[in-house]
Amino acid sequence: RKEVEQDPGPFNVPEGATVAFNCTYSNSASQSFFWYRQDCRKEPKLLMSVYSSGNEDGRFTAQLNRASQYISLLIRDSKLSDSATYLCVVPQGGFNKFYFGSGTKLNVKP
Amino acid sequence: DAGVIQSPRHEVTEMGQEVTLRCKPISGHDYLFWYRQTMMRGLELLIYFNNNVPIDDSGMPEDRFSAKMPNASFSTLKIQPSEPRDSAVYFCASSFLLAGVPDTGELFFGEGSRLTVL
Repeated sequence: RKEVEQDPGPFNVPEGATVAFNCTYSNSASQSFFWYRQDCRKEPKLLMSVYSSGNEDGRFTAQLNRASQYISLLIRDSKLSDSATYLCVVPQGGFNKFYFGSGTKLNVKP
Repeated sequence: DAGVIQSPRHEVTEMGQEVTLRCKPISGHDYLFWYRQTMMRGLELLIYFNNNVPIDDSGMPEDRFSAKMPNASFSTLKIQPSEPRDSAVYFCASSFLLAGVPDTGELFFGEGSRLTVL
């Protein structure tokens, strides 16, 4: 089983829509979780960190479900500029070794 | 402030040639990571260093790959000999721990080195 698994998508949504992605992880010892955003042919950049049950930043909400070992990312009021690949990142607990999911591609259409 | 700097940005080489990729981390960061990204396998962690010491190289695909970090401001990833299946984007990233707590640091990525092996 992979350390981190994501639905590759693509998710094609109209502007203004709400969209959610899930990410499952295998290491139950992991305490920190991250969502990174990667634009086409660019490097990944941190979007949000999740250290407890969840985190909210404007239109973006990340939630953690430890019992089922998944984290989710919710994007409200999608913008064209949200089009990107969203990468779920889970460290191997306590070792500062970061595993990336394969990413979920989001296309926001006008 | 300068971010993580990688060179070369693009390299095209022939099978069997030696390839050296270079990385300058952000000053003050004590962790450095090398990742490889392909369409098929996504972002794979190859090796990472803490205070210039290799901590985990279990992701290095085979003996043809080697990485060094001779000082806090420079690291290299070498492939010798290169093969077409090594074609990928190689990213270097650096980070530091928040308050010394593991698994809390943001990874700052360089722009990547796009390698094509013919």
